[in-house]
Amino acid sequence: DTEVTQTPKHLVMGMTNKKSLKCEQHMGHRAMYWYKQKAKKPPELMFVYSYEKLSINESVPSRFSPECPNSSLLNLHLHALQPEDSALYLCASSQERGGAGPKEQFFGPGTRLTVL
Amino acid sequence: GEDVEQSLFLSVREGDSSVINCTYTDSSSTYLYWYKQEPGAGLQLLTYIFSNMDMKQDQRLTVLLNKKDKHLSLRIADTQTGDSAIYFCAERVTGRRALTFGSGTRLQVQP
Repeated sequence: DTEVTQTPKHLVMGMTNKKSLKCEQHMGHRAMYWYKQKAKKPPELMFVYSYEKLSINESVPSRFSPECPNSSLLNLHLHALQPEDSALYLCASSQERGGAGPKEQFFGPGTRLTVL
Repeated sequence: GEDVEQSLFLSVREGDSSVINCTYTDSSSTYLYWYKQEPGAGLQLLTYIFSNMDMKQDQRLTVLLNKKDKHLSLRIADTQTGDSAIYFCAERVTGRRALTFGSGTRLQVQP
């Protein structure tokens, strides 16, 4: 099983709403990632979790709040978003082991978020 | 610093070979990856190459790496209409988890 799943596929929310994006993998990967992708642009890293602990926050505004409740799940809580936050939000996971190795990142299908 | 560049667009005819090019600047890159993204979908990992390799072949895909020139290419043999997508190269620098992506190349395959 090399699948990363994300829910919901699409989300429309107002600027005062609170919503959450969910990501799940059962590959035993201990590193999980959130990326943001605007139209016609490459993905941009937002957060990295390693062994359920936040290890990288790429200066993301606090209206985005990640959570890693266990080794298979990753959430992104959204609150008071702006229209410019509309994008495709991608989750990825990879093995987390010491030493060398490709540490391929496997991506989910993404959640298409529209903020009105 | 890290900077990965790709040409924006490539059009080929079905059955021809496609070659997508990528240049990177960080000499401490350890692994370089190729991802495919179809419209409205996530990224699919196609292949990767370790930086001490020159070439890697996987079925219709051939990756060539010129480390001296920091140039990476992906050749798709016998290109099919289902290969139409955006192709991203990405590098991972030693000691970092994060990937740095190129801007993506849109491959259009004409029947």
